[in-house]
Amino acid sequence: DAGVIQSPRHEVTEMGQEVTLRCKPISGHNSLFWYRQTMMRGLELLIYFNNNVPIDDSGMPEDRFSAKMPNASFSTLKIQPSEPRDSAVYFCASSPMDGSTEAFFGQGTRLTVV
Amino acid sequence: LAKTTQPISMDSYEGQEVNITCSHNNIATNDYITWYQQFPSQGPRFIIQGYKTKVTNEVASLFIPADRKSSTLSLPRVSLSDTAVYYCLVGKKSSGDKLTFGTGTRLAVRP
Repeated sequence: DAGVIQSPRHEVTEMGQEVTLRCKPISGHNSLFWYRQTMMRGLELLIYFNNNVPIDDSGMPEDRFSAKMPNASFSTLKIQPSEPRDSAVYFCASSPMDGSTEAFFGQGTRLTVV
Repeated sequence: LAKTTQPISMDSYEGQEVNITCSHNNIATNDYITWYQQFPSQGPRFIIQGYKTKVTNEVASLFIPADRKSSTLSLPRVSLSDTAVYYCLVGKKSSGDKLTFGTGTRLAVRP
């Protein structure tokens, strides 16, 4: 398996534009997590899904952020409109169905909003 | 969720054993302790997980005392490539549980 795949790896956009980050979890994993990492705030959990259903979105900073998981093999994190303070590395991770809390992370998307 | 406390940073030299301690005074009965490692420009990577006593794998050992209010990650004979941030997490061992990362410990290994 290729692991968790995120796209794009890098994104530079202008303030006010819509940004969509994509994630393909490892096949067979039933949990998916979206994190944001900055120097100031560290790794923040934004939202996580179990079996494609959002379980906890309390980490989503505001209404400009939304996440979907239309099926077991794909998830998106959308920011609309984007702001410079959204600049960060966004990680997606998935976790298997065997009861382990071992989560596998993607390489991340580095987002820069100018 | 049990809160964890770790040293912000540690320094070591190649070949030494490194022990990173994590405090989790409010750990629940069914909580497990998990450690992750993160290199620059990469996502965190699972290292080891345990419930009590000692767990060892090819990468590290995890020591957990009887009261489980702390745990120690032990890295034997570190190399420069072990320079990374190490995170201690406490939570239920069940798929889909919320994984909350603290500030982590930044380990710098020097030649």
